Amino acid sequence: GAVVSQHPSRVICKSGTSVKIECRSLDFQATTMFWYRQFPKQSLMLMATSNEGSKATYEQGVEKDKFLINHASLTLSTLTVTSAHPEDSSFYICSAKRPRTVNTEAFFGQGTRLTVV
Amino acid sequence: AQSVTQLGSHVSVSEGALVLLRCNYSSSVPPYLFWYVQYPNQGLQLLLKYTTGATLVKGINGFEAEFKKSETSFHLTKPSAHMSDAAEYFCAVSLPITGGGNKLTFGTGTQLKVEL
Repeated sequence: GAVVSQHPSRVICKSGTSVKIECRSLDFQATTMFWYRQFPKQSLMLMATSNEGSKATYEQGVEKDKFLINHASLTLSTLTVTSAHPEDSSFYICSAKRPRTVNTEAFFGQGTRLTVV
Repeated sequence: AQSVTQLGSHVSVSEGALVLLRCNYSSSVPPYLFWYVQYPNQGLQLLLKYTTGATLVKGINGFEAEFKKSETSFHLTKPSAHMSDAAEYFCAVSLPITGGGNKLTFGTGTQLKVEL
């Protein structure tokens, strides 16, 4: 199966700083990537859809200025949590799909555990 | 819009016993259905998926699921549980849209515990 790599796997940052999370598709070009957030003991909530070369589409209730998404190449999407606060602490997971395929499988990264102190 | 309901946030079985994790969906059109497994502090791994064709699908690690349109269900089963099956399981649904995104809607998850 396809491989999606997410980095870092864990990060601890101080309140007020910004953190960047990378999501890379290692063996295929991903025109579309997805960013999810998962709170403890809860399901994954889609935050935004990242499209290569265009602006991301954010789900309702997700602050686009808070969670900056950049999908500058076909193999890399980044999520930057700006001015992080403790309530932003969560598990962030990205996924990617192959281009020009019928809507079937998404490949997930390993996730990033963000702790804001 | 589509939605997924997973009955039972926690399921406990004995090693060697049958595993049954329930999933019901709601969708305006015939959906694609998925089961993912998540181990602690890791991403999601696809267990199996249903898109079209045979309604009984077999996945990895001995799991299988059957798509029942009349019951709008996609329950996950495994004949004999193993300790290594202990994890969080998510049912997910997406719409068969070509050329566009792969918006997955997840259920709330079921934590499977396997006891000796």
